[in-house]
Amino acid sequence: QQQVKQSPQSLIVQKGGISIINCAYENTAFDYFPWYQQFPGKGPALLIAIRPDVSEKKEGRFTISFNKSAKQFSLHIMDSQPGDSATYFCAASDGGTSYGKLTFGQGTILTVHP
Amino acid sequence: GAGVSQSPSNKVTEKGKDVELRCDPISGHTALYWYRQSLGQGLEFLIYFQGNSAPDKSGLPSDRFSAERTGGSVSTLTIQRTQQEDSAVYLCASSPRPGRNYGYTFGSGTRLTVV
Repeated sequence: QQQVKQSPQSLIVQKGGISIINCAYENTAFDYFPWYQQFPGKGPALLIAIRPDVSEKKEGRFTISFNKSAKQFSLHIMDSQPGDSATYFCAASDGGTSYGKLTFGQGTILTVHP
Repeated sequence: GAGVSQSPSNKVTEKGKDVELRCDPISGHTALYWYRQSLGQGLEFLIYFQGNSAPDKSGLPSDRFSAERTGGSVSTLTIQRTQQEDSAVYLCASSPRPGRNYGYTFGSGTRLTVV
């Protein structure tokens, strides 16, 4: 059962544009939502994370928007750059699991054209 | 070491053979996780280690899969009688302590191809 659904599967954006990736979850026990960035041949790296007590978190050009009632969250990349081209994964963690087990979305391949 | 090291980086094996995948976590990290990344899929949780014990091995897909961790450090994931559906990238991650507050550091993975 896929508990975190991510869309789109792939995304092409022009340099300077806004990239938007969406995720939806089903498990209401999820209370921590990180985003990971993965470059080819590398492992995923934590990009930004949010907890449901806030509706938005911004770090530089990256912003997470969170809608608890809709059980949805999204990643916005402002002023997208070719160096942002990577695979992005959303994830979620259940606060009842003490050791930080993550459930990941399927991933979005982002290509930013110069 | 400076990061999580996994070996080999690539492994091609014949169907039915056994394989061992190795993970060297960051020194001092007590929590260690194995995930599997199949083509077009997200990361699938396999097993979690705290020290040398595995409190959660619920993600291991079948009894052909096993893992151990020795000395609170190196971990080995073993797949017996490999099948084509086992082809994937196997990722290891470590964390200073268990819990999401500490974040994961992933290795670069082992790409397993079963032919």
